[in-house]
Parts: sequence; C-alpha cells; structure tokens
Amino acid sequence: EAGVTQFPSHSVIEKGQTVTLRCDPISGHDNLYWYRRVMGKEIKFLLHFVKESKQDESGMPNNRFLAERTGGTYSTLKVQPAELEDSGVYFCASSKKMAWEETQYFGPGTRLLVL
Amino acid sequence: DAKTTQPPSMDCAEGRAANLPCNHSTISGNEYVYWYRQIHSQGPQYIIHGLKNNETNEMASLIITEDRKSSTLILPHATLRDTAVYYCIVRGTGGGNKLTFGTGTQLKVEL
Repeated sequence: EAGVTQFPSHSVIEKGQTVTLRCDPISGHDNLYWYRRVMGKEIKFLLHFVKESKQDESGMPNNRFLAERTGGTYSTLKVQPAELEDSGVYFCASSKKMAWEETQYFGPGTRLLVL
Repeated sequence: DAKTTQPPSMDCAEGRAANLPCNHSTISGNEYVYWYRQIHSQGPQYIIHGLKNNETNEMASLIITEDRKSSTLILPHATLRDTAVYYCIVRGTGGGNKLTFGTGTQLKVEL
C-alpha cells in the first residue's frame, strides 16, 4: 500500500510568486491534514479535511493560503502571493476514520524556500 | 490537549535500550499518549500510542505510569537509524483531530 505522497519535494520561488503544493493521501483515507514547520519553530497544524469538506482550518495563517480537496481525494495548498516567512517544510497527513484517536500517517513533506 | 514536557536531547549507545521520558501531568482521563518521531528530512513517523495500559509493537514499547502523569517510550535495541527527534503528544477530544507537536527529544544513537 502506497503511503502519503507529496509533490513537489522542493520548491524555490521568489517573493510575490504563487506556489501550489499537492498531497495524495493513502487510498481510502477520508481525513487529510496539512501541517508546516517554519525555520526554527515547531510543527504546526494548518487544517483538516474530511473528504472534501474543511473540518478545521484554525491553523491557517492568513488568507494568502488556500487549501482545496475537490472530489475528496488529493488536496492542494496554494500560497499566493508567497512571502519570505512562508519558507519551511509543509507536511500532509491522512487518517482513515473521523476519530480523534485515529493514527495520522505523514508524507515526506515539501520544502518551500521563498527568496 | 494536555501539555507535555520532554528532555531536549539524549544519547544512547547502539544496541542498548533507549528510554525516552515524557511528563504530561495535566492529562485527562480520555486523552491518549502518542509518540511520533522525525528522522532528518523525513515526515513524522507514527510509533505507538496508549491510553492506560502499557503497549508494545514491532517498533517500541510504551510504559504509562498508573497515575498517567508520565510515560516512557522504550526502543529495546537502538540502532543508528533510530537517531531522530521523538515527540510525545497527548491527544484527546478537546483538541480535535489535530496533533500538537512540541519541541521533542533529539535522540542520538552512537557506536
């Protein structure tokens, strides 16, 4: 069984540009999460999808970030326009059930560098 | 979710048991203790979780004290590949489904 995959693995863009990150969860997992770690900080939750619906977006930093999960399969996270402080590693995770004790499985992350 | 406290770093000799402590003195009755680790440049990896009883799987053992205020993750025979940051996370209904990562313990396994 394939794990959570993320694309691209690395992205280098200039301030003001747009970047779109993609996450493919484990097949059959209805729950999809986005997290990020910015330089020197802890891993922070961004948002949670249940199928195509946003269950919790309390961690989204501002309206430059837009997450979608059309069709309830893969998800995209768009940053527009990107700022220097958006640099970091963006992780996606998925879990099967809508239950707080359900294990989340993480992808390898996308390393974003905004210059 | 309850806050956790972990030592910032630990060393362990290869082949020996690595015992990683975690304090969670404000844990409530329905909160689970989860352990994840992050090996350099990879995504966080699930290790084990428990509620009250001790748990064991192919990766590790989790020992939770009777009052549930602390726990220990045990890697029985640490290898160089176990060098990573280990996160102890307390998770319950109050925090929703999200995981709240702290600073973790940097475990260094040496020859």
